[in-house]
Amino acid sequence: QVLLVQSGAEVKKPGASVKVSCKVSGYTFTNYGISWVRQAPGQGLQWMGWISGYNGNTNNAQKFQGRVTMTTDTSTSTAYMELRSLTSDDTAVYYCARIPFDSRGPSTYWGQGTLVIVSP
Amino acid sequence: DIQMTQSPSSLSASVGDRVTITCRASQGITNYLTWYQQKPGQVPKLLIYDASTLQSGVPSRFSGSGSGTDFTLTITSLQPEDVATYYCQEYNSAPLTFGGGTKVEIK
Repeated sequence: QVLLVQSGAEVKKPGASVKVSCKVSGYTFTNYGISWVRQAPGQGLQWMGWISGYNGNTNNAQKFQGRVTMTTDTSTSTAYMELRSLTSDDTAVYYCARIPFDSRGPSTYWGQGTLVIVSP
Repeated sequence: DIQMTQSPSSLSASVGDRVTITCRASQGITNYLTWYQQKPGQVPKLLIYDASTLQSGVPSRFSGSGSGTDFTLTITSLQPEDVATYYCQEYNSAPLTFGGGTKVEIK
């Protein structure tokens, strides 16, 4: 079956960076993309960007431009999302989700979420 | 960027009631819209895609309609297990914006 397994919770200081991984199984990694979505405590879902599993092309939300890097490792079927210059506003659960290769479709499968806490 | 406006932000209804949630896009997105259900402490779950196609395994009391800019999620007979927050999301063009969410509770 399709699984997306994310790395564990992180606690970071303001100004630090965090890198969240999303290892997939049960499908051909290069046939789909990975979307990253975050959810601050008690808040709604916020789309951060997506990366193609085929060629690594990315499209990030302007809010995160210059601060986020999305990458993939096709040899391990793993996607990564690195967020830099963290502030307390970045405290959230970060999700990866599978999307169609051209991003034009829903996220059928989601990772379990990674809690990132930014605290002095 | 496309803005997605969901309403209401919350609602309370009785078991068996018909519930309607709307989502309005700031520009036309044809039918590139999906609805997710998120129960407290859980991962979002896909309910409907392409505005009106029911995801496999989702109860038939859920339905979606609309195209262009105006969309609706309907629960024909609200059940206790439907308590959740519902989100729309467009996938016409990046950024793939979510609506603000609608929290559904039982009266």
